[in-house]
Amino acid sequence: DAGVIQSPRHEVTEMGQEVTLRCKPISGHDYLFWYRQTMMRGLELLIYFNNNVPIDDSGMPEDRFSAKMPNASFSTLKIQPSEPRDSAVYFCASSLGVAVNQPQHFGDGTRLSIL
Amino acid sequence: RKEVEQDPGPFNVPEGATVAFNCTYSNSASQSFFWYRQDCRKEPKLLMSVYSSGNEDGRFTAQLNRASQYISLLIRDSKLSDSATYLCVVRNTGGFKTIFGAGTRLFVKA
Repeated sequence: DAGVIQSPRHEVTEMGQEVTLRCKPISGHDYLFWYRQTMMRGLELLIYFNNNVPIDDSGMPEDRFSAKMPNASFSTLKIQPSEPRDSAVYFCASSLGVAVNQPQHFGDGTRLSIL
Repeated sequence: RKEVEQDPGPFNVPEGATVAFNCTYSNSASQSFFWYRQDCRKEPKLLMSVYSSGNEDGRFTAQLNRASQYISLLIRDSKLSDSATYLCVVRNTGGFKTIFGAGTRLFVKA
């Protein structure tokens, strides 16, 4: 079975550019999560969706960040304009939220470097 | 104070050793608990869920102490392949907001 698929795997761009990260959750999963991981701050939850609806975006660092989930099989995380401090690994995860103890399954992540 | 706290380590142990990690959480209403494993430059992967009565999966044993608000992970007969970062994960009530600890690094040496 296919897991969570993220693209691109690596992204290097100059500050000020728009960055779009993509995620395809596991088929049938109704929860989707976006995380950011850095050495300094560890793994931080940015936003999560349930049935394509954003439930909690309190972790989104600022207005430069936005996330959408237009359908059950696709989500994007956009940074505009990007800054060097946005450099991190961004993970997407999905889970089947029938019960609260369902674990999350992570994609391989996108390694983002803003120069 | 962080919601989930772990000793960052590193723990350096020889093969065959038994090692234990603890994790404390601050929200008494936390509902679900997990241990994840993360290898260098890889994604986190579920190691095991943690149940109230404690649970075991091969060489791994997880325990939950709600009164003291901590969970633990015990690894017996450590293998070289156990070298990784172990993340304590807490899910709070009222939704699926999930908090990850910063992780404990384990190095198992031959």
